[in-house]
Amino acid sequence: NAGVTQTPKFRILKIGQSMTLQCAQDMNHNYMYWYRQDPGMGLKLIYYSVGAGITDKGEVPNGYNVSRSTTEDFPLRLELAAPSQTSVYFCASSYGRPGETQYFGPGTRLLVL
Amino acid sequence: AQSVTQLDSQVPVFEEAPVELRCNYSSSVSVYLFWYVQYPNQGLQLLLKYLSGSTLVKGINGFEAEFNKSQTSFHLRKPSVHISDTAEYFCAVSDRYNFNKFYFGSGTKLNVKP
Repeated sequence: NAGVTQTPKFRILKIGQSMTLQCAQDMNHNYMYWYRQDPGMGLKLIYYSVGAGITDKGEVPNGYNVSRSTTEDFPLRLELAAPSQTSVYFCASSYGRPGETQYFGPGTRLLVL
Repeated sequence: AQSVTQLDSQVPVFEEAPVELRCNYSSSVSVYLFWYVQYPNQGLQLLLKYLSGSTLVKGINGFEAEFNKSQTSFHLRKPSVHISDTAEYFCAVSDRYNFNKFYFGSGTKLNVKP
């Protein structure tokens, strides 16, 4: 059981470039989430998905897009990268029941210059 | 929306000393409360959670937390810390109506010194 995996681990982007952060889970979880972690700010929810084909915005969705074509995968797309998107990005998943634990991936560190 | 406050951004403590990391939340509805730990360059791992019932919750690695509804607090404690407890600790809250949305505090860095 690999749990939640994320690729890449680290990436440097130039302003205006685009990229996709990959996230996969092998726990058959219905719910998946994308967070960003800025220094001293805790984690903020970007987007989440309650199942294949269903996504919704979190607290800070601007500048990002998501899709969920399978239960296992939940990629996060950055269009026109900006320095404000420099952050550590975490993917998480859960069964989606009340009080259920969210399981986190190791994170992707993104630097936009 | 929920909010979570972790008043202490950093807590230095000597090995084998007790520690308390504070967490307060704001919510008008019944909540679920979580403490996660993040070791350097890793993702978050669950330490413990409160769903209902006994207000004293025991977790992994000797940590425990107490839910206090009147003070809207969920402080994390350990009677004797180890060097290996050096990490960042996050408090999080969700509620029974939006259980899939977690709100995280800003984190407390615990630095255990020999």
